[in-house]
Amino acid sequence: KAGVTQTPRYLIKTRGQQVTLSCSPISGHRSVSWYQQTPGQGLQFLFEYFSETQRNKGNFPGRFSGRQFSNSRSEMNVSTLELGDSALYLCASSASETSGYNEQFFGPGTRLTVL
Amino acid sequence: GNSVTQMEGPVTLSEEAFLTINCTYTATGYPSLFWYVQYPGEGLQLLLKATKADDKGSNKGFEATYRKETTSFHLEKGSVQVSDSAVYFCALVTSNTGKLIFGQGTTLQVKP
Repeated sequence: KAGVTQTPRYLIKTRGQQVTLSCSPISGHRSVSWYQQTPGQGLQFLFEYFSETQRNKGNFPGRFSGRQFSNSRSEMNVSTLELGDSALYLCASSASETSGYNEQFFGPGTRLTVL
Repeated sequence: GNSVTQMEGPVTLSEEAFLTINCTYTATGYPSLFWYVQYPGEGLQLLLKATKADDKGSNKGFEATYRKETTSFHLEKGSVQVSDSAVYFCALVTSNTGKLIFGQGTTLQVKP
């Protein structure tokens, strides 16, 4: 089985712009979670989608949003980019059918740099 | 709230040395506990897990025991290799959410 794929791998944007990141989960996985990784704050949970519905949400401002499509692929969007949004954005998929732990498989991440 | 605290790094060891990376947690309910590893330029890989008190997770020579009385999940390996050089993250998930809460990560450098 192919693993979790994320595109693009690297992205450079300027302040005020918006960006969309994409994640394709492992085939058959219906849950997709997003995490932000920065040197200062470490790994922080953004949100989780299951069957096209947001199931869990972390403590991020409304500039961060996401969605999931019927094929379980997910996108996250960040509007009005700030310098502090520079980070590695990781996507993880799991076969979770209910809220609660199922092993999450991580993609390689998208490295976003905001100038 | 729920949180995970790891020992600060970097940890630098010689090959074949004994490794311990400390991890303690605060959580309501009965969390499941994990160690993830991140190699340079890659995403996270699950190293091992434990889902209830006194469980021992093990994989690739690494071990960790879920200690409810001390709220700890320390990672150990008897003999490290250069290829173990990576960043190690301790994490938890509580039963009523699907989101992982991570510690700050500990960088391990193993020298030949």
